[in-house]
Amino acid sequence: QKEVEQNSGPLSVPEGAIASLNCTYSDRGSQSFFWYRQYSGKSPELIMSIYSNGDKEDGRFTAQLNKASQYVSLLIRDSQPSDSATYLCAGNNPGTYKYIFGTGTRLKVLA
Amino acid sequence: GAVVSQHPSRVICKSGTSVKIECRSLDFQATTMFWYRQFPKQSLMLMATSNEGSKATYEQGVEKDKFLINHASLTLSTLTVTSAHPEDSSFYICSAGLSNEQFFGPGTRLTVL
Repeated sequence: QKEVEQNSGPLSVPEGAIASLNCTYSDRGSQSFFWYRQYSGKSPELIMSIYSNGDKEDGRFTAQLNKASQYVSLLIRDSQPSDSATYLCAGNNPGTYKYIFGTGTRLKVLA
Repeated sequence: GAVVSQHPSRVICKSGTSVKIECRSLDFQATTMFWYRQFPKQSLMLMATSNEGSKATYEQGVEKDKFLINHASLTLSTLTVTSAHPEDSSFYICSAGLSNEQFFGPGTRLTVL
């Protein structure tokens, strides 16, 4: 069964620190990976997409992909209390437009 | 860009009634839309994939006669929950596909009394 796994947390970091969120996936055929942020009671919002091995940076966010080890990570620099949310990792289901979502990691940034 | 709307945002209905939820891509055309359901403190569960002009593809365990999906145009998909029961109460979220990415609508919170 194709799976995307995340630690449910909560992951607590102090304000200003780097938050590191990790995700592993089981299907080597997955080529595209996505990080979504979901605030409580709201729908997910796309933060980053990554398709190639290595790092991709966008503002305070850096996504990292290692296909050999089948993991994806998201780093949030200078964490703010407003970053407190659940972060969902998703990989594409090969041959379809569907995503396989992880269960999400809850991040708490402490002021 | 890539804005998706949903209507209504919140609905309360009596058991046995039907509820229609609309999902619109506002600034792009979406050949494929997806319908998810999310229970409290759980992750997203894909219910079905909606393709413009063709029948929806339902995930295993999702009753197609209960959750009717219509994708009549490239900007609109609808989900109708027929004969709703309290166990159908949930957060229903649609997404629209654009260039391999999915953009989510704001969700519809359904409460069935």
